Amino acid sequence: GQQLNQSPQSMFIQEGEDVSMNCTSSSIFNTWLWYKQDPGEGPVLLIALYKAGELTSNGRLTAQFGITRKDSFLNISASIPSDVGIYFCAGATMTTDSWGKLQFGAGTQVVVTP
Amino acid sequence: ETGVTQSPTHLIKTRGQQVTLRCSSQSGHNTVSWYQQALGQGPQFIFQYYREEENGRGNFPPRFSGLQFPNYSSELNVNALELDDSALYLCASTFGLLSGANVLTFGAGSRLTVL
Repeated sequence: GQQLNQSPQSMFIQEGEDVSMNCTSSSIFNTWLWYKQDPGEGPVLLIALYKAGELTSNGRLTAQFGITRKDSFLNISASIPSDVGIYFCAGATMTTDSWGKLQFGAGTQVVVTP
Repeated sequence: ETGVTQSPTHLIKTRGQQVTLRCSSQSGHNTVSWYQQALGQGPQFIFQYYREEENGRGNFPPRFSGLQFPNYSSELNVNALELDDSALYLCASTFGLLSGANVLTFGAGSRLTVL
């Protein structure tokens, strides 16, 4: 089952508001990822974080890799209607075999109203 | 450059049947991972293939099996289908085992319904 706790489960916000969501884990990761998934599509990578304490932005999105390496958060500023979707956090550990075995949170559903 | 393509997009099976799902990797990608995404959940790692060999497996029973072909396309086979196997099955490809996360590309998935 899921090892990542992602919250909140859903958010109903007005256009222009900021959105915050976070993810915690019982395990340490050396990579945190944030994805967005639209209906009928696969997850699309938004931001990748590779270093504890790292703060990275991608347009109106900002994400941080927690210092303990067991948590991460994602902020969306000034939300717009196209921000609607499900956002997933994912953790990974790079090993000599592969980092590609991601563990995902259960997702945060974002609904933006005009 | 084509992305990851999966087929079929939707299918319906009955309990006990077998299913084969297919994935064509993004051009140049030689590593394929399969994920199961139940309704309302995040994807769960099933297994990964690199150069036609299984390279790691998640907590799934042996009736979930896979293949990777010389052209790096891949199949996921599920035998003795159960109702709980109903899910979106996602394929993701990348190049090599230590590529950065920014080159992992997901397909749109195959939606399997088991009745």
